[in-house]
Amino acid sequence: DIQMTQSPSSLSASVGDRVTITCRASQTISVYLNWYQQKPGKAPNLLIFGASSLQSGVPSKFSGSGFGTDFTLTISSLQPEDSATYYCQQSYRTPHTFGQGTKLKIK
Amino acid sequence: EVQLVESGGGLVQPGGSLRLSCAASGFTFSDHYMDWVRQAPGKGLEWVGRARNKGNRYTTEYAASVKGRFTVSREDSKNSVFLQMKSLKTEDTAVYYCVRVGPSGYDAFDSWGQGTMVTVAS
Repeated sequence: DIQMTQSPSSLSASVGDRVTITCRASQTISVYLNWYQQKPGKAPNLLIFGASSLQSGVPSKFSGSGFGTDFTLTISSLQPEDSATYYCQQSYRTPHTFGQGTKLKIK
Repeated sequence: EVQLVESGGGLVQPGGSLRLSCAASGFTFSDHYMDWVRQAPGKGLEWVGRARNKGNRYTTEYAASVKGRFTVSREDSKNSVFLQMKSLKTEDTAVYYCVRVGPSGYDAFDSWGQGTMVTVAS
């Protein structure tokens, strides 16, 4: 199975900041990397697919990049509603494994 | 509007069985792969299984942790996908989400149900 490792596991940032979350795959996955946001008690929501394509309806403050094994999710101009857990997921090969999640807290 | 509504969760004893259902609406169900993803309490997301569409001969795939115990099936005439779970273990306790595999070509999960809780305990 392809292992996905996110860093950091948690972070705290202020309103207006920009943050970057990293995801590393245990083997190359081309651009088959997706990012999800999950708020407490809710289902996850797709933010980015194909490493860098913004899902319809998702604000442009979210952006993704990367290829191969190393990927990043950047969130700019943080607002209180961005407080959530963020997951990466590889869809290159089944099982479609997720990273362990990054919990973002807004100070 | 795409909607996925799961049902069938509940409390079951170890070794027992349960069948989850997911009713879909708002899109051409038969075109899409449909997957199940679960999340144990306080834990991360785990992909469980997939039901491909007619064009891919309705083939299925499973995570190693559930293979041989869980079966994903679909009924396109009813816009529904199912997860039959047998020989349940305490570690199967989780919220189970029905998800739609989107049309992007990257197998991203672009729509999720609200989830249904399965508790395996004696």
